[in-house]
Amino acid sequence: DTEVTQTPKHLVMGMTNKKSLKCEQHMGHRAMYWYKQKAKKPPELMFVYSYEKLSINESVPSRFSPECPNSSLLNLHLHALQPEDSALYLCASSRVDMGFRTGELFFGEGSRLTVL
Amino acid sequence: SQQGEEDPQALSIQEGENATMNCSYKTSINNLQWYRQNSGRGLVHLILIRSNEREKHSGRLRVTLDTSKKSSSLLITASRAADTASYFCATDSGAGSYQLTFGKGTKLSVIP
Repeated sequence: DTEVTQTPKHLVMGMTNKKSLKCEQHMGHRAMYWYKQKAKKPPELMFVYSYEKLSINESVPSRFSPECPNSSLLNLHLHALQPEDSALYLCASSRVDMGFRTGELFFGEGSRLTVL
Repeated sequence: SQQGEEDPQALSIQEGENATMNCSYKTSINNLQWYRQNSGRGLVHLILIRSNEREKHSGRLRVTLDTSKKSSSLLITASRAADTASYFCATDSGAGSYQLTFGKGTKLSVIP
């Protein structure tokens, strides 16, 4: 199984809502990532978890709250978002390299978020 | 911050022609990777080239890396309509663990 599964595929939420994006992989990867991608732009790294611990937070606003409950699951909790947060949110996973070099990332299809 | 800059931003070719995309980066790297993204979909890994490698092949793909010029190129030979997608280079600078930074991408259109 070489899939990363993201749910939901589409999400529309108001600025006062609380919602979550979910990501699951069963490849035994111990590094998992959240990227944000605006239209016609490259993906931008938000968070990295390695061995279920947050290792990188790229100065993301606190209205985005990541969670890694186990080695297969990654969540992104959303609260009080702004319209400019509307984007494609991509989850990815990879093997862990003890030399801290990033290998091949396996991406999900993304969750397209619209904030009204 | 973005590390890689792809060139050209957009490329339109006829089916059967070769497509060449270039990527330049600013800092030293551990490896450089190329990904493909069909419109609005997830990214698919194409090829990884390590900093001590100069050229790598995978099927119709050929990647070169020139660390002295801090640049890489992706060549797709005998292009097909199905190759229509955006192509991104991504660099692992080793500045932190698992920090892969994507360039702006090249949008390739292959006309049947």
